[in-house]
Amino acid sequence: DAGVTQSPTHLIKTRGQQVTLRCSPKSGHDTVSWYQQALGQGPQFIFQYYEEEERQRGNFPDRFSGHQFPNYSSELNVNALLLGDSALYLCASSLNGGEETQYFGPGTRLLVL
Amino acid sequence: AQSVSQHNHHVILSEAASLELGCNYSYGGTVNLFWYVQYPGQHLQLLLKYFSGDPLVKGIKGFEAEFIKSKFSFNLRKPSVQWSDTAEYFCAVSPDDHSWGKLQFGAGTQVVVTP
Repeated sequence: DAGVTQSPTHLIKTRGQQVTLRCSPKSGHDTVSWYQQALGQGPQFIFQYYEEEERQRGNFPDRFSGHQFPNYSSELNVNALLLGDSALYLCASSLNGGEETQYFGPGTRLLVL
Repeated sequence: AQSVSQHNHHVILSEAASLELGCNYSYGGTVNLFWYVQYPGQHLQLLLKYFSGDPLVKGIKGFEAEFIKSKFSFNLRKPSVQWSDTAEYFCAVSPDDHSWGKLQFGAGTQVVVTP
C-alpha cells in the first residue's frame, strides 16, 4: 500500500520565480492538506483540498494556490517566491474531507536564493 | 487565537529513563488531539490520537498520552525510553467544529536518548 508521495524531493529557485509541488495521496484517501515547515518550527497549515475545491485556508497570502485533480492528487503553486518561502512543504492525505487521521508525505525541501 | 505550546524545545535523557513531554493548547471548544513523531531522515508519523472517550490514550511503541480537559493539556509519556526514540515530537490540535482536520502544530520537542 503506497503511502503519500511528493515530488520533487528538493528544489532550488530564485526570488521572483514560481514553483509547483506535487502530491499523491495514500490509496483511497480523498482529501489533501498542505503544510509549510520552516526550520526549527512545527508545520503551518496552508490549505486543504476536498472534492477538487479549496475547503479551508490558513494564514497564507494569495501567492500560494493549489489544485486537486479528479484522481485526488494535488499541486501546490507558489508565485513570486520570497527568501522566506524557503521551507519543507508537507502534504498530508486523509479520508472524508479531513475528518480522519492525516498521513504525511516526506516533503519537498524548497530553497529560495 | 488558537495556539499550541510545547514546554521543552530540547530534551536529553539516558536509555531506560522516563519521558514526559508537555503540550498545552488554547481553544475553548471541543478539540481532537494528536502526537506526531519525526525520526531522523523520516517523515512525520502518527504516534497517537484522542478524539473522544477514555482520556488516557495508548499509542505505538509504548507511548501514551493523557488528555486533561481542565488544564487544556495533552502530555506525552513513555516509562522507559530507548535509543531509537531519538526524534522530534510534535503535538497538534484540530478543532472539532467543522474545521475538518486543520491541524495546528506546536513548535516541536527534539528528544535525544543517549546509550
